[in-house]
Amino acid sequence: AQKVTQAQTEISVVEKEDVTLDCVYETRDTTYYLFWYKQPPSGELVFLIRRNSFDEQNEISGRYSWNFQKSTSSFNFTITASQVVDSAVYFCALSEFVQGGSEKLVFGKGTKLTVNP
Amino acid sequence: DSGVTQTPKHLITATGQRVTLRCSPRSGDLSVYWYQQSLDQGLQFLIQYYNGEERAKGNILERFSAQQFPDLHSELNLSSLELGDSALYFCASSVVPGAENEQYFGPGTRLTVT
Repeated sequence: AQKVTQAQTEISVVEKEDVTLDCVYETRDTTYYLFWYKQPPSGELVFLIRRNSFDEQNEISGRYSWNFQKSTSSFNFTITASQVVDSAVYFCALSEFVQGGSEKLVFGKGTKLTVNP
Repeated sequence: DSGVTQTPKHLITATGQRVTLRCSPRSGDLSVYWYQQSLDQGLQFLIQYYNGEERAKGNILERFSAQQFPDLHSELNLSSLELGDSALYFCASSVVPGAENEQYFGPGTRLTVT
């Protein structure tokens, strides 16, 4: 079965530091999607990015960037010049095909990021 | 605001009771997913509906059931509640099934079983 590992349970940084959140996945599928979600203290899940397994280009969105490497089954997330508002739990997720032709998301345990002023 | 609504926001009930959680998907979305987030198990997929029919099942207990109505809203029924059912229950919706379609998550219903 698919598996997502986020080895960093908690990370604490000082504002303006860069921080990288690691995500390693396991899958037998040749086509799959990877995701990052943010869960701020308010509790909702906020979609950040979706990446197709055939697209290994790195992506940058403002202070956020993602590094996808199929060779190491990793999809790491970097926040540049972190801000207090970045404090949240970040989840990496992987799509898994299920019976019936549909797909579900398999989530990692999450990494709690605390950015201190 | 994702456009997905969930009610109630908080629910406190006793062991052995039955509760119903409600979800309204984004306008135009036909597929609804239910997830459970607990301290022990993390975020887990429970069940998916598409246009009123069950499409996929995950780690959903037999004491739990769900349905999607003709107006596309969905309800998750939890019965014979146990302390371990205390969790945050999320509903998500997408246009149609498939990971290429983004799942938009609702704000969640926090269930506390005492």
